[in-house]
Amino acid sequence: AQSVTQLGSHVSVSEGALVLLRCNYSSSVPPYLFWYVQYPNQGLQLLLKYTSAATLVKGINGFEAEFKKSETSFHLTKPSAHMSDAAEYFCAVRGTNAGKSTFGDGTTLTVKP
Amino acid sequence: DVKVTQSSRYLVKRTGEKVFLECVQDMDHENMFWYRQDPGLGLRLIYFSYDVKMKEKGDIPEGYSVSREKKERFSLILESASTNQTSMYLCASSTNRDRGLAGELFFGEGSRLTVL
Repeated sequence: AQSVTQLGSHVSVSEGALVLLRCNYSSSVPPYLFWYVQYPNQGLQLLLKYTSAATLVKGINGFEAEFKKSETSFHLTKPSAHMSDAAEYFCAVRGTNAGKSTFGDGTTLTVKP
Repeated sequence: DVKVTQSSRYLVKRTGEKVFLECVQDMDHENMFWYRQDPGLGLRLIYFSYDVKMKEKGDIPEGYSVSREKKERFSLILESASTNQTSMYLCASSTNRDRGLAGELFFGEGSRLTVL
């Protein structure tokens, strides 16, 4: 069984501030972990993924995430928020079953000018 | 450019109607998925398919069925729509062939269904 918990359904930051979106996972097998972003009225697109190579993963648009097995966490960060980062972010975990992924409830990021 | 196309962006149907949501991918992916997205609930898996004519129930299959007659097409069917099926429906695909793509999902833009 696998599950994902995203802490905080809404996060608000000022432009230029650090972005930190939290994700904890549970998986009975070594996981694949993903962050997806969804802009209004669009589908989801991949930001970054962890697949057991480097524990620090860099993605698009300046985002990165660190896999910490001891904490079962995969938090998403960006050093300096931009207005265009305002969106909904989803953490997901995949086990081994034909690509089936389980998603967290999502975190809406608001960026204030 | 890889693409997952959902046939309708917006639909309005009446209670009891039969509803078809179509999804086509052009990436020759083996796996296809239907998710439902509701505010505060994230994405919940309805059904998925890992091969032509194969299907497996996800977490919330009740009230839905699916069809996969061709590799590129995966249809979601609401036999008798109800108001609690008003939602955003997202189709996605993935491949097992390329380790570099390991489980990454490619999504369509979504179909927003309103059942009156």
